[in-house]
Amino acid sequence: QVQLVESGGGVVQPGGSLRLSCAASGFTFSSYGMHWVRQAPGEGLEWVAFIRYDGSNKYYADSVKGRFTTSRDNSKNTLYLQMNNLRGEDTAVYYCAKVYDDTWGYFDYWGQGTLVTVSS
Amino acid sequence: QSALTQPASVSGSRGQSITISCTGTSSDVGAYNYVSWYQHHPGKAPKLMIYDVNKRPSGVSNRFSGSKSGNTASLTVSGLQAEDEADYFCSSYTSSNTLVFGGGTKLTV
Repeated sequence: QVQLVESGGGVVQPGGSLRLSCAASGFTFSSYGMHWVRQAPGEGLEWVAFIRYDGSNKYYADSVKGRFTTSRDNSKNTLYLQMNNLRGEDTAVYYCAKVYDDTWGYFDYWGQGTLVTVSS
Repeated sequence: QSALTQPASVSGSRGQSITISCTGTSSDVGAYNYVSWYQHHPGKAPKLMIYDVNKRPSGVSNRFSGSKSGNTASLTVSGLQAEDEADYFCSSYTSSNTLVFGGGTKLTV
C-alpha cells in the first residue's frame, strides 16, 4: 500500500535551516508529482511547493519562494524540502502528498506530517 | 494568496442534505474548474472527495457532489450519515501556478 513518511522536523532558531525528507513506497514514485503542504498550529492548510515527477518543474508559494527548495531523488524514492532562513511563521506540521492520477493539484495520499518549530 | 472562505461549521440530521460553500476570487475559483474537496477525520489523512469541481474519484459515494457558480464552489452531501461527520476543506488552482486552500468546515451530523 502507498506510504509517505516524513522526517527531519525539529526545533530550529530563526534564520536557521532544516531539510525535510519524505520517503515514499507502494507506488512508482518516479511517475508522480509531489507536493508539500503545511499547517500552522490552529490554522488551516497552506500549500507550500510542488515538484514534477521528473523534477523538471517546481512551483512555490510566495511565502516561501527564495527560501525553500524542493527536490527529489527518484532512485531513492525520496522527496526533500530544504528550508533556509526560517521564520517564526514557518512553524507548522509539514506534509508531503502524492498527486492523484495524472493531475497536478489533487492529492490522493498524504504523509503523517513532521513538526517544524522555529523559535529562539 | 488569501485562503478560500468556508463557513466554520455546518450541521444536519441523518438523511438530510447540507451544502458547504467555498468562496474565492476571479484569480482562483472563478478562473478555473480546478476545485477540489477533501474529507478529513481527525487523526487520519485527508480523503479526496471531489475534483475538477464536480468529479468523484472511484469509490467515493454519489451522495457527495460538487458545483460552482462564479467565485464560489459548493460541496453538497445528501442523505447524511453519521460517518460523514468530519472536517471538509476545499482547494483551488490559482493564476499564479499555486494552490490555495479553504479554512475548513466542521460538519456535525
